[in-house]
Amino acid sequence: QQQVKQSPQSLIVQKGGISIINCAYENTAFDYFPWYQQFPGKGPALLIAIRPDVSEKKEGRFTISFNKSAKQFSLHIMDSQPGDSATYFCAATNNLFFGTGTRLTVIP
Amino acid sequence: GAGVSQSPSNKVTEKGKDVELRCDPISGHTALYWYRQSLGQGLEFLIYFQGNSAPDKSGLPSDRFSAERTGGSVSTLTIQRTQQEDSAVYLCASSPGQGARTEAFFGQGTRLTVV
Repeated sequence: QQQVKQSPQSLIVQKGGISIINCAYENTAFDYFPWYQQFPGKGPALLIAIRPDVSEKKEGRFTISFNKSAKQFSLHIMDSQPGDSATYFCAATNNLFFGTGTRLTVIP
Repeated sequence: GAGVSQSPSNKVTEKGKDVELRCDPISGHTALYWYRQSLGQGLEFLIYFQGNSAPDKSGLPSDRFSAERTGGSVSTLTIQRTQQEDSAVYLCASSPGQGARTEAFFGQGTRLTVV
């Protein structure tokens, strides 16, 4: 069963635009929601993470918005850059459950 | 070492052969994970080791897959009688603590091709 559902599967954004990736989960026991970034030929690397006791976390151009009641969380990339082009994975709790990934392409 | 190390980086094997994939986690990390990433797909959890506890094998797709972790450090993922559908990138990750809220550090993966 897919514990974490992620959308969209792919995303194309113009340089300077906002990229938004969404995830939803079912298990209310999940208490840690990281986002990982993966470049081709590399393993994923932690980008930013949030706990369910806060509704938003911002680190530079990257923001996680968390809606506990809706069991949804999203990644916002502000002022998207070509160097942000990668695959992004959301995850839940102790790294056992990952979304299916979003391939982001930022067009110069 | 500086990070999680996986070997080999690439492996081509004939259908029906057994393969072993190796993972050297970051020193001192008690948790170790194996994932499978098929082309264009997400990360499929396979198995999780935490310290000396019994591993969580709930993600292993069949009894052809097994893994062990010796001395709480190096891990080997074994696939017996490989099939073409086993072709994928196998990723290993380690993390410093048990439970939730811990970052997983990934290796670069082993690309397995079964011909």
